[in-house]
Amino acid sequence: NAGVTQTPKFRILKIGQSMTLQCTQDMNHNYMYWYRQDPGMGLKLIYYSVGAGITDKGEVPNGYNVSRSTTEDFPLRLELAAPSQTSVYFCASSGGRGPGGELFFGEGSRLTVL
Amino acid sequence: GIQVEQSPPDLILQEGANSTLRCNFSDSVNNLQWFHQNPWGQLINLFYIPSGTKQNGRLSATTVATERYSLLYISSSQTTDSGVYFCAVDKAAGNKLTFGGGTRVLVKP
Repeated sequence: NAGVTQTPKFRILKIGQSMTLQCTQDMNHNYMYWYRQDPGMGLKLIYYSVGAGITDKGEVPNGYNVSRSTTEDFPLRLELAAPSQTSVYFCASSGGRGPGGELFFGEGSRLTVL
Repeated sequence: GIQVEQSPPDLILQEGANSTLRCNFSDSVNNLQWFHQNPWGQLINLFYIPSGTKQNGRLSATTVATERYSLLYISSSQTTDSGVYFCAVDKAAGNKLTFGGGTRVLVKP
């Protein structure tokens, strides 16, 4: 049981390039999330999804897009990368709301934009 | 939005010591979770505790929802307890969590 898997683990982008961070989970969770963590800070929610075909914005969605075509996958797309998007990105999933809705995180993807 | 403040920001412990970490939040919540981020960056869920008290080994947590705070207790600390401890909350019961700034813990052998 792999849990939440993110790829790539590390990536360096040039300003203006685009890329997709992949996230897949094998726990059959309906809820999936993308967070970013800037150095020395807590996490901030970028986008989330409550099921296949349903996505919504979090606290810091600008510059990102997501899609959820299957229960397992929740990719995050960065368009026109900017230095402000240098961060560690965490994908997470949960089985639902309320008790039993603990959040499980992937190992993170460290992105540097130069 | 809801504000989450954690204290202290930094904590240095001698192995074997006990400690208490605090999380204050500015509004009523229906979801509160504690996480540990180890020195390699991995985030592990410690507790789902919107109210009441839970224990897991040397760790325990108490949330007093009516007074808008939660406490995480570490007993008989070990070097593997080092890392950053985050409290995160959501007004609803979902996981659109707002994170505090964390408490950075260093346990010395």
